[in-house]
Amino acid sequence: DAGVIQSPRHEVTEMGQEVTLRCKPISGHDYLFWYRQTMMRGLELLIYFNNNVPIDDSGMPEDRFSAKMPNASFSTLKIQPSEPRDSAVYFCASSLLWKGRDYGYTFGSGTRLTVV
Amino acid sequence: DQQVKQNSPSLSVQEGRISILNCDYTNSMFDYFLWYKKYPAEGPTFLISISSIKDKNEDGRFTVFLNKSAKHLSLHIVPSQPGDSAVYFCAARGYQKVTFGIGTKLQVIP
Repeated sequence: DAGVIQSPRHEVTEMGQEVTLRCKPISGHDYLFWYRQTMMRGLELLIYFNNNVPIDDSGMPEDRFSAKMPNASFSTLKIQPSEPRDSAVYFCASSLLWKGRDYGYTFGSGTRLTVV
Repeated sequence: DQQVKQNSPSLSVQEGRISILNCDYTNSMFDYFLWYKKYPAEGPTFLISISSIKDKNEDGRFTVFLNKSAKHLSLHIVPSQPGDSAVYFCAARGYQKVTFGIGTKLQVIP
């Protein structure tokens, strides 16, 4: 298995532009999570999906952020319009919760977003 | 309000010695605790976990201790190796989602 695949690895964009981050979870995993890592706040959960359905988006900072999971193998996180304070590393993770036991998340390598 | 707290941003340890990373939590409803390790330019990787009904879990050089009454857990690495140098995240699961601390950067000095 190739693991969780995120693209792009790096994104530099100008303030006000739309940014789309992409994620392909591990096949068979039924949970998908979007996290943002910053120095001050560490890893923050933005939103998570179960079987492609958004379950909790309380971590999404503003209406400028939106996420979709149109099918079990693809998810996007969109920021429109982007602002310099959105600069961070964005991680996607997937997991399989089976019979109540958590086997841990598998993270992608992240997308480093820089908004100038 | 941070529900998972890692109060030490960094830790330096000599190779061969014990590394102890600490974590405190506030939510008594957490049912599972996890540690992740992260190298630069990579995503965090799962290291070890412990159920809230246990007080110790060991996996090779890594041992996690849980003190529920104090809402405290710790990760022990014995012996520490230079390859253990990384950022370690403490995490806690509740209501099907996992909350992470801000991380502790461990440096193992050869």
